[in-house]
Amino acid sequence: AQSVAQPEDQVNVAEGNPLTVKCTYSVSGNPYLFWYVQYPNRGLQFLLKYITGDNLVKGSYGFEAEFNKSQTSFHLKKPSALVSDSALYFCAVRATGGGNKLTFGTGTQLKVEL
Amino acid sequence: KAGVTQTPRYLIKTRGQQVTLSCSPISGHRSVSWYQQTPGQGLQFLFEYFSETQRNKGNFPGRFSGRQFSNSRSEMNVSTLELGDSALYLCASSRRGGPDTGELFFGEGSRLTVL
Repeated sequence: AQSVAQPEDQVNVAEGNPLTVKCTYSVSGNPYLFWYVQYPNRGLQFLLKYITGDNLVKGSYGFEAEFNKSQTSFHLKKPSALVSDSALYFCAVRATGGGNKLTFGTGTQLKVEL
Repeated sequence: KAGVTQTPRYLIKTRGQQVTLSCSPISGHRSVSWYQQTPGQGLQFLFEYFSETQRNKGNFPGRFSGRQFSNSRSEMNVSTLELGDSALYLCASSRRGGPDTGELFFGEGSRLTVL
């Protein structure tokens, strides 16, 4: 069975500084990895995904994620944080042949302060 | 392009009752997935439907069921409600197969409170 770990419940960063939200995964076969964001009282929004190819994946709103197979990690990054990036971020993994069944991490609350 | 629509947005039920939640996917999306979100358990996969057939199922008791209609709209039902069923139920639609797999478009959810 696949699993995802997000070791930080909350990440605080000053606006304009780079941000990193950590994610590690466990899955049999090739991983399909995703990041989603959830704003208060809203559903989740897709940010980016890794299926194959370049280890650095670019997504929406200036976010990117780095896939590291040897460390089984898929950390979310942004060079310069904005206050409006404050939200709950979820990492997810899908196993090969799993259709749209995603296993989500517990989420990391990102707080960007002025 | 209209997004995923879930109804009702909020509902309150009492233990032992049943509830039906509805989801209308984005036009052209034939896969509909359901997730339960709670503070304690986080996001958990319930089931996925594609072409009116259940394709994947999560680890939930048989009280949780769903179906999909020919127009891709989906419903989920929870019977004999328990206090622990209080949650935000999220529906997500997507294409299925190929590079778009796993790229889900979520509705705003149906918040169920069981008293």
